[in-house]
Amino acid sequence: GESVGLHLPTLSVQEGDNSIINCAYSNSASDYFIWYKQESGKGPQFIIDIRSNMDKRQGQRVTVLLNKTVKHLSLQIAATQPGDSAVYFCAYYLWYSGGSNYKLTFGKGTLLTVNP
Amino acid sequence: EAGVTQFPSHSVIEKGQTVTLRCDPISGHDNLYWYRRVMGKEIKFLLHFVKESKQDESGMPNNRFLAERTGGTYSTLKVQPAELEDSGVYFCASSHLGGPDNEQFFGPGTRLTVL
Repeated sequence: GESVGLHLPTLSVQEGDNSIINCAYSNSASDYFIWYKQESGKGPQFIIDIRSNMDKRQGQRVTVLLNKTVKHLSLQIAATQPGDSAVYFCAYYLWYSGGSNYKLTFGKGTLLTVNP
Repeated sequence: EAGVTQFPSHSVIEKGQTVTLRCDPISGHDNLYWYRRVMGKEIKFLLHFVKESKQDESGMPNNRFLAERTGGTYSTLKVQPAELEDSGVYFCASSHLGGPDNEQFFGPGTRLTVL
């Protein structure tokens, strides 16, 4: 079935280090991927997205890499800060019914803990 | 600008009871979505409203779940009767337009516990 999975359910890093969160997806038809950050008591918040015609996109301290050959997505956070501690979800849009409908499909999430 | 709000933040009910969750989207957002995250699993799509119409309800688990959006403003999600497996966090999101080019803004969620 359609799924978006994660290699690591938890990740613990030291403040200042770089973090890498990985995600594998199964639907090769998806052309739009998103990373969300969910802090405790809050809903998922958009971080960065990437389309399938790109293999890399950079934001402020974050970089998303997309490898369509192996269906792998990663989120890199530079100089990780305590405020980056959260659950990170990868997600993609799944189109169906001839493209008239779409739904956002999420992975299970990775808990990132930043140690001071 | 106020974000998406959800009420209540927590709800604890017994199996067989009824619970109604409410979502107030960002003002002017025609698209409203419901999602659910069961403990330890991924966030799953439940349904999508465009104004007051159900665009897609393919993710609704069964007929114990009823979502409404009368008037195209706030939405309610009723679970009747609740079962143990309904426990989880229910998220609502809204967007001005639909599709991947339009960011969905999520509310803080309602944590439902069915005992």
